[in-house]
Amino acid sequence: DAGVTQSPTHLIKTRGQQVTLRCSPKSGHDTVSWYQQALGQGPQFIFQYYEEEERQRGNFPDRFSGHQFPNYSSELNVNALLLGDSALYLCASSLAGGPQETQYFGPGTRLLVL
Amino acid sequence: AQSVTQLDSHVSVSEGTPVLLRCNYSSSYSPSLFWYVQHPNKGLQLLLKYTSAATLVKGINGFEAEFKKSETSFHLTKPSAHMSDAAEYFCVVTPAAGNKLTFGGGTRVLVKP
Repeated sequence: DAGVTQSPTHLIKTRGQQVTLRCSPKSGHDTVSWYQQALGQGPQFIFQYYEEEERQRGNFPDRFSGHQFPNYSSELNVNALLLGDSALYLCASSLAGGPQETQYFGPGTRLLVL
Repeated sequence: AQSVTQLDSHVSVSEGTPVLLRCNYSSSYSPSLFWYVQHPNKGLQLLLKYTSAATLVKGINGFEAEFKKSETSFHLTKPSAHMSDAAEYFCVVTPAAGNKLTFGGGTRVLVKP
């Protein structure tokens, strides 16, 4: 049973560029959440997608946007990259209405903005 | 609003001795609480979760945590540390199922031989 997968594993961009990160949820899961983890800090919630709609959003600017596809996979897009966007981006999947809707995390995508 | 405070940013223990990681939370609702572990350059792995059932929760790899509502605490313990326990540990709170997770700042555990 495949767990949560993310691509790419690493990415280097320059300021002002745009980036797209991808996530495939654990088999049987229908909800995807995205988190940003800066170096030395705990993850911060960006947003959550369910039924192809953004269900919740954290305190992130509109430069951060997302999408969920009919197969439940998801993308995170970041426009006009800033140096401060350098972080590990984590995707988590869960089953809506499942046992406490426990979230399972992927290995993350490490983004470096130069 | 909800928040999590992990009282120690670093904990150092000798192999075979007990581990205690302290966590206090604040939540306007009856919370669900979790502990996740993150090994270097890896994603987050769920250790255990509390969801208003038994207050003493057993998790994987010999870890357990006790929910104390009166103290708003959810401390993580393990009776005997192993070298493989060296990692970063996060205490996490969510007000209800499916809601966003709020993470503490993390506690880095070092295990000495």
